[in-house]
Amino acid sequence: GESVGLHLPTLSVQEGDNSIINCAYSNSASDYFIWYKQESGKGPQFIIDIRSNMDKRQGQRVTVLLNKTVKHLSLQIAATQPGDSAVYFCAENNNAGNMLTFGGGTRLMVKP
Amino acid sequence: GAVVSQHPSWVICKSGTSVKIECRSLDFQATTMFWYRQFPKQSLMLMATSNEGSKATYEQGVEKDKFLINHASLTLSTLTVTSAHPEDSSFYICSASLAAEGNTIYFGEGSWLTVV
Repeated sequence: GESVGLHLPTLSVQEGDNSIINCAYSNSASDYFIWYKQESGKGPQFIIDIRSNMDKRQGQRVTVLLNKTVKHLSLQIAATQPGDSAVYFCAENNNAGNMLTFGGGTRLMVKP
Repeated sequence: GAVVSQHPSWVICKSGTSVKIECRSLDFQATTMFWYRQFPKQSLMLMATSNEGSKATYEQGVEKDKFLINHASLTLSTLTVTSAHPEDSSFYICSASLAAEGNTIYFGEGSWLTVV
């Protein structure tokens, strides 16, 4: 049977709306942060990254915001589409040889 | 972007047997690769850091004699699950860092292991 474990928080949005996914990190020494998208049964896919000397970075339809004061990271997806439905993980680089530490993940569900 | 390939994508094995999973960087050399495992509805958990030409560095709680890692070349790391048991059934994912892109980390597609 399925392993008992942490159930991912779920964010449900209407197609076309904006999505905001939040993440808290723990290591104040981390200087590099990444958002990954993981579709069912597949490996993580890089979305966008940000370094600690920045507080905002924009990509295509996505924006990452970094608040180092409260150790908080967010991913904003504009005009959310059904293809954006997936689990989203934030990851931090803890300066230990490019090792990434992942957050718990958020499941994004887009309603048509 | 760079491509990291894992093989096999799916594998079912009998309890007590050993299974090898390969992780290849297809178009770049990776001196460092990482192995993760992921249980359903959970996040990725780092198992070990694989360094080319040297022993892997295992995370606390990961049995190095059970999860053998070999990084014999700059494009290949292997994870062997020895004497597999049903509780080893999981999704195993590798990643590799690309120095030429500021050590951006690329992930493989993952390998599903089911031990029966």
